[in-house]
Amino acid sequence: QSALTQPASVSASPGQSITISCTGSTNDIGGFSSVSWFQLHPGKAPKLVIFDVSSRPSGVSYRFSGSKSGNTASLTISRLQPDDEADYYCASYSSNSVHVFGTGTKVSVL
Amino acid sequence: QVQLQESGPGLVRPSETLSLICRVSGGSMTNFYWSWIRQPPGKGLEWIGYIYYKGTSNYNPSLESRVTMSVDTSENQFSLHLRSVTAADTAVYYCARRDYSAIFDHWGQGTLVSVSS
Repeated sequence: QSALTQPASVSASPGQSITISCTGSTNDIGGFSSVSWFQLHPGKAPKLVIFDVSSRPSGVSYRFSGSKSGNTASLTISRLQPDDEADYYCASYSSNSVHVFGTGTKVSVL
Repeated sequence: QVQLQESGPGLVRPSETLSLICRVSGGSMTNFYWSWIRQPPGKGLEWIGYIYYKGTSNYNPSLESRVTMSVDTSENQFSLHLRSVTAADTAVYYCARRDYSAIFDHWGQGTLVSVSS
């Protein structure tokens, strides 16, 4: 099972918006609505920021939004803040009952 | 608030077995799938597998031949055993709770396990 493809890095200034793509196949992203996004800060527990493609867990800022088109999912962070600087990973359920993660994207706030 | 905490040796010798425990507090283990995920240094996340609270399990095919997971709901904990480790198994190991909808909603902080002689 191959990892989902994400850009290695994305950067923007505070207040701007960024979008991170996550590309898979019909066996994972394209075939299921179980796409999640996680925020990883060093030394802290990973945090779920989006589940089921576009749903936000309680307590997660409205600035985080998700979408999907075909085999590609996307995470958008609007009104970027310094604390948004972190690594972000997508994940999807797969047709052979396994979970697959993305390659990860480092978000830098300039 | 559900909390998960990994524990175990930080150093394992090559060819030996890596064993970790994840203790769950603040919630029941019932009806959830208890998972292990790892991140090698400088690399991405990799799903290792999960064990249902009743004891059935599902593993990543790439690791299936070396992995065993167990669960003890009376002690509110579950375990990972990875046999015949090599340097490639050096990673931060996370435990996580997965719900019925395949959502990993709670994670531990992770524990670094190095494989070295």
